[in-house]
Amino acid sequence: SSELTQPPSVSVSPGQTARITCSADALSKHFAYWYQQKPGQAPLLIIFKDSERPSGIPERFSGSSSGTTATLTISGVQAEDEADYYCQSADSSETDHVTFGGGTKLTVL
Amino acid sequence: QVHLVESGGGVVQPGGSLRLSCVASRFPFSGYGMHWVRQAPGKGLEWVAFIGFDVNNKEYADSVKGRFTISRDNSKNTLFLQMNSLRPEDTAVYYCAKAGTTWDYFDSWGQGTLVTVSS
Repeated sequence: SSELTQPPSVSVSPGQTARITCSADALSKHFAYWYQQKPGQAPLLIIFKDSERPSGIPERFSGSSSGTTATLTISGVQAEDEADYYCQSADSSETDHVTFGGGTKLTVL
Repeated sequence: QVHLVESGGGVVQPGGSLRLSCVASRFPFSGYGMHWVRQAPGKGLEWVAFIGFDVNNKEYADSVKGRFTISRDNSKNTLFLQMNSLRPEDTAVYYCAKAGTTWDYFDSWGQGTLVTVSS
């Protein structure tokens, strides 16, 4: 299966902009999806189809994708945004399979 | 608001079996594909299996193929995961997740059920 590569950690101060990248050949052919997971909670979909935001997700969360890299941007980071973030896509080598990135721990300083 | 409630987790010995259930409500269950996703303690997310809304389309991760079986009962709004020949590396929280408008992502998740494989 293909792998999605994320940085293990990102740190930002409140009010700054956090960017989390996700890289894989699969992203040149398939959409990227992003999930937020806080300790002890189930994941929450925050971005779908590269850049769409589900209802109820704050506008400070945005997504983009170009070539083999997708990016989750959190503008004006708040303390409550501290969480693990996972990217996900369809597997480019296996039909009807999906794959996750390893996750990025966002720390709000 | 979609509601998914998993059950059936517990402690099982290596080589044993377990059947997980996920009861769905507040959406037309029979019209959506469903997934199982797991998360080992302190680790990331791993997709396990998918079943289409019409039950004929099933897919499995290589790590569970031949050991796990996904199924659903649309009359009871329930998703299942039969897990056989369990291994210590299957220890994880198992989440059921509803597919979005396409099969390849998850727009709603349950709270998960913990499966521990240990002697």
